[in-house]
Amino acid sequence: AQSVTQLDSQVPVFEEAPVELRCNYSSSVSVYLFWYVQYPNQGLQLLLKYLSGSTLVKGINGFEAEFNKSQTSFHLRKPSVHISDTAEYFCAVRSNDYKLSFGAGTTVTVRA
Amino acid sequence: DAGVIQSPRHEVTEMGQEVTLRCKPISGHDYLFWYRQTMMRGLELLIYFNNNVPIDDSGMPEDRFSAKMPNASFSTLKIQPSEPRDSAVYFCASSDIAGGSYEQYFGPGTRLTVT
Repeated sequence: AQSVTQLDSQVPVFEEAPVELRCNYSSSVSVYLFWYVQYPNQGLQLLLKYLSGSTLVKGINGFEAEFNKSQTSFHLRKPSVHISDTAEYFCAVRSNDYKLSFGAGTTVTVRA
Repeated sequence: DAGVIQSPRHEVTEMGQEVTLRCKPISGHDYLFWYRQTMMRGLELLIYFNNNVPIDDSGMPEDRFSAKMPNASFSTLKIQPSEPRDSAVYFCASSDIAGGSYEQYFGPGTRLTVT
């Protein structure tokens, strides 16, 4: 079975500072990993995904993530955040039966 | 495409009443998923369909919950009778697995409050 652990529940950060959100997964099969963002009162939107190939994945809004198989991690980064990046971020792993297992989420609050 | 459409966006009902949540997936998508989001339990998969057929309903909490997909463009999640602990945001998502997509597209959600 697949599972996801997001190591930080809350991350406060100042505008224009870098941010890293940590995600570890466990999976006994091929790994497909995702980061989703949820803005207040909205549904989830895909930021980026890792399916295969290059371990550095670039997504929308300047986010990127690095897949590390040996450490079973898929951390999300952005070099310079904006106020508009305030949201909840979810890491997810997909199983062979197409189900997504989500982490508990990390709330990012960007302050001026 | 308009994306995944859910209705209503907000529902307030009294305990014991029947609640029906509706979802229209993206046209051409062959998989449909229902999730529930709460502060305590996070995002939970309730049930999913492939080509209108339920594949896995192991996440449905109990017999009070039922879901149907009568055709490729419509699905319902029904709670009867509703209880205060059912208060949550319910999301529908769809995916084009046959077309090679690995992404699930989420609707805006229905915020359910049971008093």
